[in-house]
Amino acid sequence: VLTQSPGTLSLSPGERATLSCRASQTIANNYLAWYQQKPGQAPRLLISAVSSRATGIPDKFSGSGSGTDFTLTISRLEPEDSAVYYCQHYGGSPLYTFGQGTKLEIK
Amino acid sequence: DVKLLESGGGLVQPAGGFLRLSCVASGFTFNNYVMGWVRQAPGKGLDFVSSISGWADYTYYADAVKGRFTISRDNSRNTLYLQMSSLRADDTAVYYCARRGETYGLDIWGQGTVVTVSS
Repeated sequence: VLTQSPGTLSLSPGERATLSCRASQTIANNYLAWYQQKPGQAPRLLISAVSSRATGIPDKFSGSGSGTDFTLTISRLEPEDSAVYYCQHYGGSPLYTFGQGTKLEIK
Repeated sequence: DVKLLESGGGLVQPAGGFLRLSCVASGFTFNNYVMGWVRQAPGKGLDFVSSISGWADYTYYADAVKGRFTISRDNSRNTLYLQMSSLRADDTAVYYCARRGETYGLDIWGQGTVVTVSS
């Protein structure tokens, strides 16, 4: 089970967001990914293997962590960063597990 | 351009309804990649449904759909399928197909197709 916190995060433009993803068991293989989903759109891969940015993802998005605690950091927030962010693990049971999501609001 | 395009969603009656979703891939060597389906119920989060290896020798199903859904692929047509039967109201969702990248993230997603199970 992946538990994301906070459920909702409200920040201002220019600030930094820190999103947490906690696993119920140690993630030993580092197959931890982060996705961004805006309303009415498909999810978009931001980060895979804990800290590798996907193609075309700006360096304002960064991932870190190990064991059971993982973090997505978004710096220099802009209004277009408003979205729901999901973490996801591959390799457990079930094979793919998603967190419940964190809604980020930029006002 | 790397793309996935789903089709086949619609309204279907519960308890006996069936549907087949398709996902056509373009812009990459289809048989080199594990492909999968992820769904999202209205107002809810993401739920993994099923995946299939590049040459269809391995498949995986979430417990919620095991025995009711069948994933398959036709590499000659660059197409992924999801055959859904014994549909229930809680199968109502947007169904996305997705490509699994080299570091196990789902790196390419389709736009989704809507499945509604209702009488």
